[in-house]
Amino acid sequence: AQRVTQPEKLLSVFKGAPVELKCNYSYSGSPELFWYVQYSRQRLQLLLRHISRESIKGFTADLNKGETSFHLKKPFAQEEDSAMYYCALTSGSARQLTFGSGTQLTVLP
Amino acid sequence: KAGVTQTPRYLIKTRGQQVTLSCSPISGHRSVSWYQQTPGQGLQFLFEYFSETQRNKGNFPGRFSGRQFSNSRSEMNVSTLELGDSALYLCASSESGYYTDTQYFGPGTRLTVL
Repeated sequence: AQRVTQPEKLLSVFKGAPVELKCNYSYSGSPELFWYVQYSRQRLQLLLRHISRESIKGFTADLNKGETSFHLKKPFAQEEDSAMYYCALTSGSARQLTFGSGTQLTVLP
Repeated sequence: KAGVTQTPRYLIKTRGQQVTLSCSPISGHRSVSWYQQTPGQGLQFLFEYFSETQRNKGNFPGRFSGRQFSNSRSEMNVSTLELGDSALYLCASSESGYYTDTQYFGPGTRLTVL
């Protein structure tokens, strides 16, 4: 079975500080990893995905297969980054998204 | 392109009733998935449809069912509602449902069961 763990339910950082949202997964094959974000009163939307290897809004995420992690990072947090962040996984054998429990990020002024 | 739309946005029902939720995917998308979001369980997969066929099903009781029409629009039905069915129901569409496809989410339908 595939599982995604986000150990931090809440995370607060000051504006301009670096931020790292942790994501660990368990899956024996080759999964595809995603980060989704939900801003207040908005729908869930894709932030970035591993296969694209692109940086969105200054966020990056590196897949570490040895540690089975896909942590989300941004060097300088902005107040508009405050949102709920979900790490998610799919695989060839289970096409549905398996989500972590989410991390509520608050960027303080 | 217009995004994924879901109707209605809010619903209030009583225990024992049934409910039907509707989802219109992005034009050209053939895969529609449904998810349940609750504070306790988070986001959980219900089922996925592609070309009017259910391809994948999550671990939910048979009271939860769905279907997809030839225009890719989808409906989900919950019969004999229970208090625990109160949740935000999200629909997502993707082009082909391949596991690397991006899924685009609708705004959700907030179901409250009294």
